[in-house]
Amino acid sequence: GENVEQHPSTLSVQEGDSAVIKCTYSDSASNYFPWYKQELGKGPQLIIDIRSNVGEKKDQRIAVTLNKTAKHFSLHITETQPEDSAVYFCAAMDTGRRALTFGSGTRLQVQP
Amino acid sequence: EAQVTQNPRYLITVTGKKLTVTCSQNMNHEYMSWYRQDPGLGLRQIYYSMNVEVTDKGDVPEGYKVSRKEKRNFPLILESPSPNQTSLYFCASSFDRVRNSPLHFGNGTRLTVT
Repeated sequence: GENVEQHPSTLSVQEGDSAVIKCTYSDSASNYFPWYKQELGKGPQLIIDIRSNVGEKKDQRIAVTLNKTAKHFSLHITETQPEDSAVYFCAAMDTGRRALTFGSGTRLQVQP
Repeated sequence: EAQVTQNPRYLITVTGKKLTVTCSQNMNHEYMSWYRQDPGLGLRQIYYSMNVEVTDKGDVPEGYKVSRKEKRNFPLILESPSPNQTSLYFCASSFDRVRNSPLHFGNGTRLTVT
């Protein structure tokens, strides 16, 4: 089955700086890679996703890159703001079970 | 408002006392799933359902049961809860799983088993 590793587990940045969270996956057949943001007391919410036929996708201050050869993908947040503070999860589609396998999460703290 | 609703938000119980966590979605989604979230382990899938009357095990199904008698509801049943089932539980739904449609999560149920 799929195995997803996520780093770092915690990340603290100054407001306005960039933040990068990295994930690796094991199933070379995986074709869908979403990122979720979880705010305190709430469920995870999809913020961006990428499919295997694309190397990069951007939505305002958020971008995701995918390197299929190396089997890793990353979330980039530019011009961070205090409201970006949350736990972020990456995930990859387990093609065998057709289910998402999640990384262990990154707690991002943006210092004002 | 499109949403996934879980109840209760918080639950404290004792070992062996059967409990049910309810989940309902109003988006006419075919796919529903339960996850548990534990520190350092991310979200692990317990059970999922592709449609009414179709359920299957996820990564950590032991000690749990589910049912899908109606499209909108997907309750999680713990017949005999144990302390290692203390966790934060999330229900999620999506249009389908074939096309990788986005998962919508509920706000979670924090369960403590003493």
